[in-house]
Amino acid sequence: AQSVSQHNHHVILSEAASLELGCNYSYGGTVNLFWYVQYPGQHLQLLLKYFSGDPLVKGIKGFEAEFIKSKFSFNLRKPSVQWSDTAEYFCAVIKDTDKLIFGTGTRLQVFP
Amino acid sequence: DGGITQSPKYLFRKEGQNVTLSCEQNLNHDAMYWYRQDPGQGLRLIYYSQIVNDFQKGDIAEGYSVSREKKESFPLTVTSAQKNPTAFYLCACSGAGGWDEQFFGPGTRLTVL
Repeated sequence: AQSVSQHNHHVILSEAASLELGCNYSYGGTVNLFWYVQYPGQHLQLLLKYFSGDPLVKGIKGFEAEFIKSKFSFNLRKPSVQWSDTAEYFCAVIKDTDKLIFGTGTRLQVFP
Repeated sequence: DGGITQSPKYLFRKEGQNVTLSCEQNLNHDAMYWYRQDPGQGLRLIYYSQIVNDFQKGDIAEGYSVSREKKESFPLTVTSAQKNPTAFYLCACSGAGGWDEQFFGPGTRLTVL
């Protein structure tokens, strides 16, 4: 079945460590790609998105993601995490239809 | 101040009762969505609506119903037919036909006792 996979379910890091969260999707053709974040007690909000153009996209709070079409991947990165990055991160894909398909999420805990 | 609101934040119901969750937006967006969030399962689409008086089933519509009588409102009813209704429910809206960013409400946590 077509899907969005996030292989890291729970990531624990110390402050200043580098972060990379994996996201793979199984849809062919043109897709729109998103990373959403859910901070504790807050709304789900958009971190960044990719529709076309430069495959390296930058989002809020120093996050970036790289679209690699050949690998069907859209991994999220941050060079140096902060305690305030503790949250749940969701990758999502829109393909053909108007439905957003979410991955299962990655829970990130950052310790000072 | 534009946004999307959901009420109530917490809701408790007895088994066998129907319950309606509210979702209102003042972003003037055409598309609205209902998701269910369970630990380890991400967000799963229940119903969505691209325009007033029209809506479609998502991936897990069984046991749920919706209406879209007004552009700004998209209430979700969790019926007694939903076998496992205890969950966190999120409403969202989008102004670009569903192809762009969705804006999410704060969610309603429903507990069925």
